[in-house]
Amino acid sequence: AQKVTQAQTEISVVEKEDVTLDCVYETRDTTYYLFWYKQPPSGELVFLIRRNSFDEQNEISGRYSWNFQKSTSSFNFTITASQVVDSAVYFCALSEANTGFQKLVFGTGTRLLVSP
Amino acid sequence: DGGITQSPKYLFRKEGQNVTLSCEQNLNHDAMYWYRQDPGQGLRLIYYSQIVNDFQKGDIAEGYSVSREKKESFPLTVTSAQKNPTAFYLCASSCDRSLPRNEQYFGPGTRLTVT
Repeated sequence: AQKVTQAQTEISVVEKEDVTLDCVYETRDTTYYLFWYKQPPSGELVFLIRRNSFDEQNEISGRYSWNFQKSTSSFNFTITASQVVDSAVYFCALSEANTGFQKLVFGTGTRLLVSP
Repeated sequence: DGGITQSPKYLFRKEGQNVTLSCEQNLNHDAMYWYRQDPGQGLRLIYYSQIVNDFQKGDIAEGYSVSREKKESFPLTVTSAQKNPTAFYLCASSCDRSLPRNEQYFGPGTRLTVT
C-alpha cells in the first residue's frame, strides 16, 4: 500500500535560517510521482514541484531545492535563507501510475513557522 | 483569471441538514476532486470525476454525494448521514482526465461547521 510519512509536525526557525522538510514514502509501484504542495494560511494548496520515479536529479528553484533519493525512499525539501512568507503547512504527496487515475496520497504535513 | 472558485468560505449548519458546497473551475480541466482536511491530518479523497457525467468514490465517500453535469462544476453534498461533517473541504482539478503525473490545482476551500 502506498503511504507518505512526514515525521516533522512543526518546525520553527528564525528568518534566514535554512530548513529541511522530510518526506518518506512507501510504494510497490516502479512508476510513481512525488509532489510537494504549500498551504498558506489562506487555505488553498499551491503546487511546488513534481518528480517522477525515474528522475533522481535534484532540483533547485530559487531558494527552494529538492533531494530525491530512491535508495532511502525520500523526497526532502530544503528552503534556503527562509523568509516569513515561507510560513505555511507543506505537504508531500505520492501518485502511483498503476491506479489508472491520479490518486494523490498525502502526508500529514509539516507546519513551518518562520519568525522575524 | 483562470482558477477554482469555492463558495462560501465559511458555512454553518445544524445537525441533520444536508448542505451543498460549490466548486467551479474555468481552467478547462477534465478531472475534478473533493478532499477533506481535518486538523493535523493530510487530505483525504472523498470523490473524483474524470469526465462529465462520471464520478467515482474516493477513500471516504460515505455520507457524501456529488454530481458532474457540467465540465466546470463539481458540487459536493454533505448529507445528514455523514457522522462527523465538520472539516475543511478542498476542491481540486487537473487536466488530461486525471493522469497520475498531473499536478492538481486547488480552490481556496470551504470550512464547514455543523452544530
